[in-house]
Amino acid sequence: KQEVTQIPAALSVPEGENLVLNCSFTDSAIYNLQWFRQDPGKGLTSLLLIQSSQREQTSGRLNASLDKSSGRSTLYIAASQPGDSATYLCAVYMGSNYKLTFGKGTLLTVNP
Amino acid sequence: DAGVIQSPRHEVTEMGQEVTLRCKPISGHDYLFWYRQTMMRGLELLIYFNNNVPIDDSGMPEDRFSAKMPNASFSTLKIQPSEPRDSAVYFCASSSGAGYEKLFFGSGTQLSVL
Repeated sequence: KQEVTQIPAALSVPEGENLVLNCSFTDSAIYNLQWFRQDPGKGLTSLLLIQSSQREQTSGRLNASLDKSSGRSTLYIAASQPGDSATYLCAVYMGSNYKLTFGKGTLLTVNP
Repeated sequence: DAGVIQSPRHEVTEMGQEVTLRCKPISGHDYLFWYRQTMMRGLELLIYFNNNVPIDDSGMPEDRFSAKMPNASFSTLKIQPSEPRDSAVYFCASSSGAGYEKLFFGSGTQLSVL
């Protein structure tokens, strides 16, 4: 059974700092991995989707990397801003049962 | 497109009452998913539909839960009778390609069963 873990559960940084969020998964036979952002009281917004054949995806100040063999992905946020404060979740897709397996997320707080 | 639309945003009800949650997916998306989110268990997939047909309802916790998708633009999740342990945020999401494409979530329904 696929399990997705995100450590730390919470992270607080000063504005302007570059930071890395971590995601690990137990079964490396994934089809793709998505990073989501969730603001309080809101739904999830897909930020980046990395296919298993890719090593990284970039969108603006966000860069997601994927290392299938080691079962890890990272989300790099450059020059963090208070508006980046949210919970970030990763989810993996195995490609066989149409289900995403989600981590429980990292709560990021960027302090002005 | 307005995105995935869910209603109501908040629902407070008493134990034993029937609860109906509603969802309008993004036009053109063939897949619709119902998730439940709690602090303890995180996000759990309850059921998903492909072209209005339920494909996998193995995540539905009990017979008290049922879901329908009468057409491509509308789905409901019903709980009857509701119990306090059903209190959670319920999300609807849609996609054009199941897990192969990005998943788009609604804003959720915060359900409180007293």
